[in-house]
Amino acid sequence: GNSVTQMEGPVTLSEEAFLTINCTYTATGYPSLFWYVQYPGEGLQLLLKATKADDKGSNKGFEATYRKETTSFHLEKGSVQVSDSAVYFCALRGGGTSYGKLTFGQGTILTVHP
Amino acid sequence: EPEVTQTPSHQVTQMGQEVILRCVPISNHLYFYWYRQILGQKVEFLVSFYNNEISEKSEIFDDQFSVERPDGSNFTLKIRSTKLEDSAMYFCASGWSYEQYFGPGTRLTVT
Repeated sequence: GNSVTQMEGPVTLSEEAFLTINCTYTATGYPSLFWYVQYPGEGLQLLLKATKADDKGSNKGFEATYRKETTSFHLEKGSVQVSDSAVYFCALRGGGTSYGKLTFGQGTILTVHP
Repeated sequence: EPEVTQTPSHQVTQMGQEVILRCVPISNHLYFYWYRQILGQKVEFLVSFYNNEISEKSEIFDDQFSVERPDGSNFTLKIRSTKLEDSAMYFCASGWSYEQYFGPGTRLTVT
């Protein structure tokens, strides 16, 4: 079945540092890939997505590229802010439908210090 | 901006009791979902719902669980006889295409 593996957390960075959160996946067919973010006390918010190989999703300074050859979708940001402190979830939806279930990674806690 | 809402934010119940978790999806969405997250574990899919019927369900979603869209706006998850292991954060989501929009969750505590 489908699965998503994220790098172990938590991740602690200073403001303006470079962020990478690794995500790899196992899936049949051609999945769509997503990053969700959960701020304290809130629900999961879609951060960015990519629906086919070599697509780059981007939003709010975050980027991730769908790499089929390495089955990866790593999240990056060039300069993090304190307000980026949250839990980040990598997720995939199996190919074939646009409305199927999401399979999530375990989440990575990011803390950014001033 | 429209959002998915869930009530209550926290529910405490005794083992064996029935609970109903409520969600109001975004109004023009067609697909509805429930997920749960046990503390410290992954977010897990429970069930998806489209055109007034279940379109997919996971192994977790056994006979103790049911979903309903009773009035065209609410979307509910019922657990008939709660177990200790049902304690988790339950998220409702809705969507109409590639994206799913999540509510803030209901924390269910079974004692």
